[in-house]
Amino acid sequence: SYVLTQPPSVSVAPGKTARITCGGDIIGSKSVHWYQQKPGQAPVLVMYNDRDRPSGIPERFSGSNSGNTATLTISRVEAGDEADYYCQVWDGHSDHVFGTGTKVTVL
Amino acid sequence: QVQLVQSGAEVKKPGSSVKVSCKASGGSFSSYTIIWVRQAPGQGLEWMGRIIPIVGLTNYAQKFQGRVTFTADISTITAYMELSSLRSEDTAVYYCARGLGDPNRFDPWGQGTLVTVSS
Repeated sequence: SYVLTQPPSVSVAPGKTARITCGGDIIGSKSVHWYQQKPGQAPVLVMYNDRDRPSGIPERFSGSNSGNTATLTISRVEAGDEADYYCQVWDGHSDHVFGTGTKVTVL
Repeated sequence: QVQLVQSGAEVKKPGSSVKVSCKASGGSFSSYTIIWVRQAPGQGLEWMGRIIPIVGLTNYAQKFQGRVTFTADISTITAYMELSSLRSEDTAVYYCARGLGDPNRFDPWGQGTLVTVSS
């Protein structure tokens, strides 16, 4: 089965840039979606098809995908960005797969 | 703006079944997909499968094959997830979400339903 690997945690100071990676075999050939989940809340879509932002998501959020790594970048990080982030792909056969999740901590 | 509203928390005995509902407000099912995802305490997201309500087509993750059933009632714009033969490891928050695009992205999500399996 297809596996997506994320770093367990990323720490970043306010105003700086956070980069959250999602590793998978030739993930660059797939469309990657990203979700933000705050404690006690349902996930929220923050990026789709590698680099498209849903309505209402700040321009500070951007995405890229190439080779074996997809990346969600959060620029000018704010306290409100502190959350768990998950990547997600369709494995090309029958299943959707989520990454292992990354906890972003704002210092 | 479609919103998904799920049924309330459940406490179940091992070996029993649970049925969680997911009602769409602000729209119809139209031709989109409803997916189900669960999240065990302190763990990540796990895809369970999907249903296309308008045609009743279902796909289940292999892990849940034979134990989960997705259904939908078009007239009430409500989807259902039934999980049987419950065990303690099924204790989790169960989410429904709308699948959009190809390949599906999931937006919006229901608020989640906590299912606790305990003797």
